[in-house]
This record gives sequence, structure tokens and C-alpha cells, in this order.
Amino acid sequence: NAGVTQTPKFQVLKTGQSMTLQCAQDMNHEYMSWYRQDPGMGLRLIHYSVGAGITDQGEVPNGYNVSRSTTEDFPLRLLSAAPSQTSVYFCASSLIPGTGAYEQYFGPGTRLTVT
Amino acid sequence: GQQVMQIPQYQHVQEGEDFTTYCNSSTTLSNIQWYKQRPGGHPVFLIQLVKSGEVKKQKRLTFQFGEAKKNSSLHITATQTTDVGTYFCFPGGATNKLIFGTGTLLAVQP
Repeated sequence: NAGVTQTPKFQVLKTGQSMTLQCAQDMNHEYMSWYRQDPGMGLRLIHYSVGAGITDQGEVPNGYNVSRSTTEDFPLRLLSAAPSQTSVYFCASSLIPGTGAYEQYFGPGTRLTVT
Repeated sequence: GQQVMQIPQYQHVQEGEDFTTYCNSSTTLSNIQWYKQRPGGHPVFLIQLVKSGEVKKQKRLTFQFGEAKKNSSLHITATQTTDVGTYFCFPGGATNKLIFGTGTLLAVQP
């Protein structure tokens, strides 16, 4: 099992550009989520999904879109990049929360810089 | 909504000293998880607590869940340089909107 994979590992964007951060998991997890982590800060939830076709907003959803067409993939789209979106982005997956042990498995992260 | 405070934000200890971080919720939790993030790495699951008053140990780490299921603590005995990192609590409640605690950054001086 590869676990949770994220691409790219690093990305530099200019203000106004758009891009998609990819996330995939091979553990058949229904729950997937995106977090951002600013330097020296905690993890803030952007969007999450409890299954294919179902997504919902987290704490800081503005400027980001998500879709979940398959169980395995949960891409995060930046619509028009801004310097405030410079951060490290983590994707995570797990069993549905509340269904027992729902350990969050994290990807290695994407380090995004917006100039 | 659910609010979780984690204290302290930062702790610097000498190697061999003990360390404790606390997670406090404004609402009753169904469970709580703890994660560790090494510098430059991603969060890694440590443990999940479910029962009121539950205590679990992993070598030098002791995890507790409060009787009212509104708070939790992580205690490390005799810290080592390998314990360096940020420790996050991850409370479980009535919603799938799962929000991490603010984290405690532990620095260990050899």
C-alpha cells in the first residue's frame, strides 16, 4: 500500500494563477480531508468529504474548491492564487469518524509558495 | 461550535525532564486522538482514547481522557531529543468537521 500520496511536493505560483493539488489514497477510506499549515502554526481544515460525491466546507474554505468523483481521489483546486495561500497543504484519509478507530493517515504534504 | 484549546503553545525542556500538554474542550467529546508532527514532517497518529477516565501508556508516554470527556493530557516522562516536535490533540464529537487542537511545540535541549 502506498497510503496517502500527494503531488506535487513543491510548487511556486504567481498571484492569480490556478492549480490543482492532487491527493490519492489506496486504503478504501471514505473520509478524506485537506488541511493547511502556515509556518509555526497548527492545522486548519479547508474541506472534507465523507464519500464520493459528498464534500463540505471546513474552517478556511475560501479560495479553494474540491471534488470527490471517486473514493480514491480528492483534489484541491486553488482558483486564483494569493500570497496568503502560501502554506503547506496536507491531505488526510480515514474511516468515517465515529465508526471505531478512525486514525488519520496523512500524505507528505505540498509546499506551496505564491509570489 | 466545538472549541478546543491546547496548552502550552510551546515548551522547552532539558533532556530528562518531564513534559505535559493539555487539551481542553468546551463540549463533551466522543473520543480524542493524539498526533505527533516532527519538524518538516507530517502528523502521525499516536493513540485514540474513548472511555471516560481512560489512561493509556506507550513506553514513556501517558495519555489520559478526563472523567467528563472534556479534556485530555499527554505526559512524557524523561524526555529525549527524539521527542522533539509538535503534539496535537484531535477531538472527536458529533460532527465530521474534524478540527485539530492548536498544538504544543516541544523543544528538548540535550
